[in-house]
Amino acid sequence: GAVVSQHPSWVICKSGTSVKIECRSLDFQATTMFWYRQFPKQSLMLMATSNEGSKATYEQGVEKDKFLINHASLTLSTLTVTSAHPEDSSFYICSASHSMGRTEAFFGQGTRLTVV
Amino acid sequence: AQKITQTQPGMFVQEKEAVTLDCTYDTSDQSYGLFWYKQPSSGEMIFLIYQGSYDEQNATEGRYSLNFQKARKSANLVISASQLGDSAMYFCAMRGFSGADKLIFGTGTRLQVFP
Repeated sequence: GAVVSQHPSWVICKSGTSVKIECRSLDFQATTMFWYRQFPKQSLMLMATSNEGSKATYEQGVEKDKFLINHASLTLSTLTVTSAHPEDSSFYICSASHSMGRTEAFFGQGTRLTVV
Repeated sequence: AQKITQTQPGMFVQEKEAVTLDCTYDTSDQSYGLFWYKQPSSGEMIFLIYQGSYDEQNATEGRYSLNFQKARKSANLVISASQLGDSAMYFCAMRGFSGADKLIFGTGTRLQVFP
């Protein structure tokens, strides 16, 4: 299957700082990437859909100014958590598809963010 | 709106036995896809099996099969010959093909396989 690489796998940062998470499709071009957030023992909650070359589409309740998403190329999308607070601590995971539609989404390894 | 429901928070199964994980869904899309993913404690999401809404036959992938009942809007995962390494969280997911193409997830089922 296709490979999606997410970096870093874990990060600890101080309150008030910003953290950038990268999601790369290594062996295919991903027109669309998705960003999810997962709290402990809960499901994946879709935060936003990232489209190459255009603005991301955020789900209701997700602060677009806090969670900045950039999809600058067909193989890279980034999520920046700005002015992080302890309540932003969570597991963030990205996914990418070959194309819109029927194929499965391939997931990155996830990033565990801890804000202290 | 789309919705995925997994009513079993946890399941136990003995090694080598079969187990069924339930999933029901709701969608207004005529064309959609149903997926099952496995998430071990490491957090990675492992794709297991896919079923298209217009597929005539139930999908199978090795020890995994999907019991698709379209009229009942259910897409249960059957794992045959359970192994200790199958212990993990299992998520049912759905993707509609008529609009935003978002992949949404159910709440998951934690499967524990015991010797």
